[in-house]
Amino acid sequence: AQTVTQSQPEMSVQEAETVTLSCTYDTSESDYYLFWYKQPPSRQMILVIRQEAYKQQNATENRFSVNFQKAAKSFSLKISDSQLGDAAMYFCAYRSDYGQNFVFGPGTRLSVLP
Amino acid sequence: ETGVTQSPTHLIKTRGQQVTLRCSSQSGHNTVSWYQQALGQGPQFIFQYYREEENGRGNFPPRFSGLQFPNYSSELNVNALELDDSALYLCASSSFGTGVIRYSGYTFGSGTRLTVV
Repeated sequence: AQTVTQSQPEMSVQEAETVTLSCTYDTSESDYYLFWYKQPPSRQMILVIRQEAYKQQNATENRFSVNFQKAAKSFSLKISDSQLGDAAMYFCAYRSDYGQNFVFGPGTRLSVLP
Repeated sequence: ETGVTQSPTHLIKTRGQQVTLRCSSQSGHNTVSWYQQALGQGPQFIFQYYREEENGRGNFPPRFSGLQFPNYSSELNVNALELDDSALYLCASSSFGTGVIRYSGYTFGSGTRLTVV
């Protein structure tokens, strides 16, 4: 079974600075997707960024980018120019290419300090 | 385009009771998944419904059951509630074509907070 680990329960960053959230995963599959989801106090899971495992190029979405290291099974999220609205729980998630569900990590609580 | 709507937003039940949670999927979506998120943890997959049938289940006992209706809305039913069932229950909808199920975009609802006392 696949597992996802986030070793940083809490992180903080100054507004306008850059922060990196870590994620590692374990799988024996070769085709899969990796995701970062944001969960603000409204509780809705919001997709931040998605990475297909077959793509070597790291995904980017505006201020959000990932460092995907397939061999190391590592998938970190970098948030540049942090904003107060970025404060939330961030979950790393795995999904098999033909799977039915996400496997989520335990989450990292990100605080943004003014 | 409407998003995923879950009801109720909060609920308090007594141990041993039964509860039904509801989810209206996003317009155009035909698949619904349910997740349980205990306090301070990541969501755990309960089950998924596609074309009104359960087509995937996580490590949850049979007292967790569900339904999907022809309009693709869904219900999660939990019988014989236990204190450990206290959690946020998230619904997510998506759209899959016929044949092989591959990744598609998912939309999550804001969840139902269930407290069992």
